[in-house]
Amino acid sequence: EVQLVESGGGLVQPGGSLRLSCAASGFTFSSYSMNWVRQAPGKGLEWVSYISSSSSTMYYADSVKGRFTISRDNAKNSLYLQMSSLRDEDTAVYYCAREHDEGGGTSMAHFDYWGQGTLVAVSS
Amino acid sequence: QSVLTQPPSASGTPGQRVTISCSGSSSNIGSNAVNWYQQLPGTAPKLLIYSNNQRPSGVPDRFSGSKSGTSASLAISGLQSEDEADYYCAAWDESLNGWVFGGGTKLTVL
Repeated sequence: EVQLVESGGGLVQPGGSLRLSCAASGFTFSSYSMNWVRQAPGKGLEWVSYISSSSSTMYYADSVKGRFTISRDNAKNSLYLQMSSLRDEDTAVYYCAREHDEGGGTSMAHFDYWGQGTLVAVSS
Repeated sequence: QSVLTQPPSASGTPGQRVTISCSGSSSNIGSNAVNWYQQLPGTAPKLLIYSNNQRPSGVPDRFSGSKSGTSASLAISGLQSEDEADYYCAAWDESLNGWVFGGGTKLTVL
């Protein structure tokens, strides 16, 4: 059974840092690209970051570029999101999501499994 | 101000058919597959439709998707109370080099 379990969320002051983790199990983690998606309270889904299976390619939303860093450890079946210079508007539930490629690259991919999310609250 | 545009709400009575639209541009829907996600209250999103019109195993055939040009739509037939949820469309955007989502549509079953 595929499982994605996020951890590391919590309350942090503006300007602070936090590292989120996503533990994967039930599939060959090293074969899949992964993403972080967030959802502010009462708002819609916002894509945050992408990392390819080998870590050769990373993408970021403009809203977090230069402040967040995505990484992975395939030996530990884990995905990470290092967040720094946090702002009030970064307050959200952060989900990790597995990206399934239908053979046409990202253009034909989708998020087939999601974690349960971890809440990050940025407030003084 | 989402890149993909969805109506904020939709509604229908049990048994009815409802559709939810999703409008984008040539850099996202116009050139890439559209996926739909269902988010039940208090839960994580779940894949509902992928590659424009494909259903993952376990998703009832009451749910269907279509795409034409730079727009897509999700149709739900035989509406049931358990379909009450938020629905999001998504696609890869080649100009932004990132995934873009619609703002979400809250479906109410009257």
